[in-house]
Amino acid sequence: GAGVSQSPRYKVAKRGQDVALRCDPISGHVSLFWYQQALGQGPEFLTYFQNEAQLDKSGLPSDRFFAERPEGSVSTLKIQRTQQEDSAVYLCASSTPGDGYTFGSGTRLTVV
Amino acid sequence: AQKITQTQPGMFVQEKEAVTLDCTYDTSDPSYGLFWYKQPSSGEMIFLIYQGSYDQQNATEGRYSLNFQKARKSANLVISASQLGDSAMYFCAMRGWNRDDKIIFGKGTRLHILP
Repeated sequence: GAGVSQSPRYKVAKRGQDVALRCDPISGHVSLFWYQQALGQGPEFLTYFQNEAQLDKSGLPSDRFFAERPEGSVSTLKIQRTQQEDSAVYLCASSTPGDGYTFGSGTRLTVV
Repeated sequence: AQKITQTQPGMFVQEKEAVTLDCTYDTSDPSYGLFWYKQPSSGEMIFLIYQGSYDQQNATEGRYSLNFQKARKSANLVISASQLGDSAMYFCAMRGWNRDDKIIFGKGTRLHILP
């Protein structure tokens, strides 16, 4: 596609519910990144894939957070047993060497 | 470890004036890249300008220029002739020596352009 596509755009989850956020990167982009952006703050790195390999997951805040990219294209960020502090915008970006980083519009997660 | 510091949480500037957004960074990598992004209220992250640590000249893109002072580890964004549409959050970010590595962001500066 022309850009990075994220779905859903908005998600409201009850505390304790599991959620899955999808990122569809630019076709051919090798690298994919997930960020968490709390209200009024800068994006915080969560995890990074190169093709299907998860090379860095140092930013995942707890073992409730899990990300995958099984075929090296679409990625899913899963949050289990959501808590109120998980409320944030989740941004996905893709890149390939020499082509810069392109961000999606994000998924706004609200945990109630 | 890499770190980006933006010390101005908010700024108010009169339309048509120039504005400088401050950014300092810390890294032990010999080679790195510096970025500025704009995030309007709609939420998308818009790339503005990039400076490589070994670039000889300061980067410019239209009304945007990056005042890169390597010895001081600063990478300030200068917006000339500000417009109402420049009102947004602005983030400074950096990447380490690996050109395909993650980028880390500062906390941002909210810029308000006054008519």
